[in-house]
Amino acid sequence: NAGVTQTPKFRILKIGQSMTLQCAQDMNHNYMYWYRQDPGMGLKLIYYSVGAGITDKGEVPNGYNVSRSTTEDFPLRLELAAPSQTSVYFCASSYSSGQGAKRTEAFFGQGTRLTVV
Amino acid sequence: KNQVEQSPQSLIILEGKNCTLQCNYTVSPFSNLRWYKQDTGRGPVSLTIMTFSENTKSNGRYTATLDADTKQSSLHITASQLSDSASYICVVSLNSGGYQKVTFGTGTKLQVIP
Repeated sequence: NAGVTQTPKFRILKIGQSMTLQCAQDMNHNYMYWYRQDPGMGLKLIYYSVGAGITDKGEVPNGYNVSRSTTEDFPLRLELAAPSQTSVYFCASSYSSGQGAKRTEAFFGQGTRLTVV
Repeated sequence: KNQVEQSPQSLIILEGKNCTLQCNYTVSPFSNLRWYKQDTGRGPVSLTIMTFSENTKSNGRYTATLDADTKQSSLHITASQLSDSASYICVVSLNSGGYQKVTFGTGTKLQVIP
């Protein structure tokens, strides 16, 4: 089972460059999330989506954009990379049968380690 | 402010020994608490989940406890193995309208040595 797949695993960007972090899940989960994990810090939510066509901001959305055109894919876009965006990025997905209903555990991808120099 | 604090930050134990990791939270209104295991270079993987009414949950050699009154949880690892070396993250969820918000602790880094 593939689960949640993230690409690339590693990337080095120059300041001001842009890139897209890819995330795909094959579990038919409706919820998808992007987190960043900085050294010594807990995961912080960047953006999330409750279904195709619906996205919303998390705790730290500045400098990022997302889209959710399909259930499977949830790419994260960095338009003008800054050193503060150096981090490890995790994509996750989970399932809920409806608003307020219990959700399954979140399944995480293996992460993308991004360095902005 | 909703916070999740874990202790100790790091821990080294001998293979075969037991250990207990702590999690204190101020998240309210509380929905559920999960413990995740994160191996180096990998994404977190769920170990246990507990709701308000549950005070103990086991998963093999892992036993989580929850005291919702004092807002404390612990993860006890029995007969540790080298493969238990990882970061253990406490995650607390609260209900906020239609979306369940989560707060991650900073984790406890456990190293099991031979």
